[in-house]
Order: sequence, then C-alpha cells, then structure tokens
Amino acid sequence: DGGITQSPKYLFRKEGQNVTLSCEQNLNHDAMYWYRQDPGQGLRLIYYSQIVNDFQKGDIAEGYSVSREKKESFPLTVTSAQKNPTAFYLCASSWAGYTEAFFGQGTRLTVV
Amino acid sequence: EDQVTQSPEALRLQEGESSSLNCSYTVSGLRGLFWYRQDPGKGPEFLFTLYSAGEEKEKERLKATLTKKESFLHITAPKPEDSATYLCAVQAEGANSKLTFGKGITLSVRP
Repeated sequence: DGGITQSPKYLFRKEGQNVTLSCEQNLNHDAMYWYRQDPGQGLRLIYYSQIVNDFQKGDIAEGYSVSREKKESFPLTVTSAQKNPTAFYLCASSWAGYTEAFFGQGTRLTVV
Repeated sequence: EDQVTQSPEALRLQEGESSSLNCSYTVSGLRGLFWYRQDPGKGPEFLFTLYSAGEEKEKERLKATLTKKESFLHITAPKPEDSATYLCAVQAEGANSKLTFGKGITLSVRP
C-alpha cells in the first residue's frame, strides 16, 4: 500500500534528551513536511524539504533539526533546546509545486 | 502574512440537519485552498482542493465552494460518522509549496 508511515505512534522522553521521529513515504513524492499540532491551535510548520539534501525552516523551527538524505525519508529530531516539546507531530508529503499534501498518522510525543 | 480563520470553532448538529462551515482567508495570491478531515488522534485526511473563485467540488454529503475571500464546506443531511474536525488550508503563489492552516472546526453530529 502506498502511504506515509510515521513511527513510533507514541513516544516518551525525559527532559534534556534528544529524540528522533521517523517519517517514510513510498508515494514517490518530492516534497516532505513536518507540522506540530497543539490543542486549540492549527497545524504549524516546523521544516519542509522540496528535494533531497535540501530543506528550509518553517514557522517554528527553533529546537528542531531535520535531514533529507533519501527521497523517501525525512526524520525529525526534537532537541533538548525545544522548550515545549509535548505535542502531536505530523509528517506530510506532496508532489513538488502546488498540490495537496498527504499526511501520516502522527506521533504523540510526551516529555516526562 | 497569510492567514486562515475558521468559524465556528465548534458545531453541534442533529443527524439530518444541514449546515455550513466557514473558512476566511487572506493570502497574497491564492494558488489553492484545501479542506481536510481529521479524526481524534489521527492525521488529516485530504478532502478537496479548490483553485479559483466560483469553483465547487462534491463528495458524498460534502460540498466545498470558493469565493475570493472565503470557502464554505456545506454538509447535507449529516450522519454521526461525519463527526470530526475539519481543517482548511491555503497555499500562496510563490517559490514554495507550504500550506497555512486554520485552527479547525470540530463538528459533532448527534443521532
């Protein structure tokens, strides 16, 4: 089945630790995105990448890092510098240019 | 700066009671407007893309329309399974393809 796979579904992290969220797609999409969703707020863009080995900061990139070494993979690292990391993280992908994006099922990160 | 405002924040309907969800937007040149459905704890599911004022698209009980300033998602004779959060997003003309989202409208349909 074609789609976007995020793992794990739930993740717990201790304060001061870095953690990496996985996102893989087999849709052959060029562009990939990371969004953060908090209760009562819209989706906010963290990072996006339109081609391999290139990515741009979104609206709330501070405390996060990404890499795009393969077309199908776009992992997100939540670093200890992120002050409020507890949230629902969504990965998406799309064809390059102006098309709709398709989302994975999300990873819920909780800092304990 | 691109902005998307959705209203109302929450809507409760009786099964069969038709209504509309509003998405107002401000963007420097609209490339596309997107509607998504999101169930609790899951990722958004794509519904529609609208590109130009006057355009309409339909899917089962849902119909999306677009003007130069807003979009409506009309729900005809809703069923309990239509209960979800509906998200609106815009994509501006420009060098990248990122989306700007509204906060969403939580729809509850009572049997």
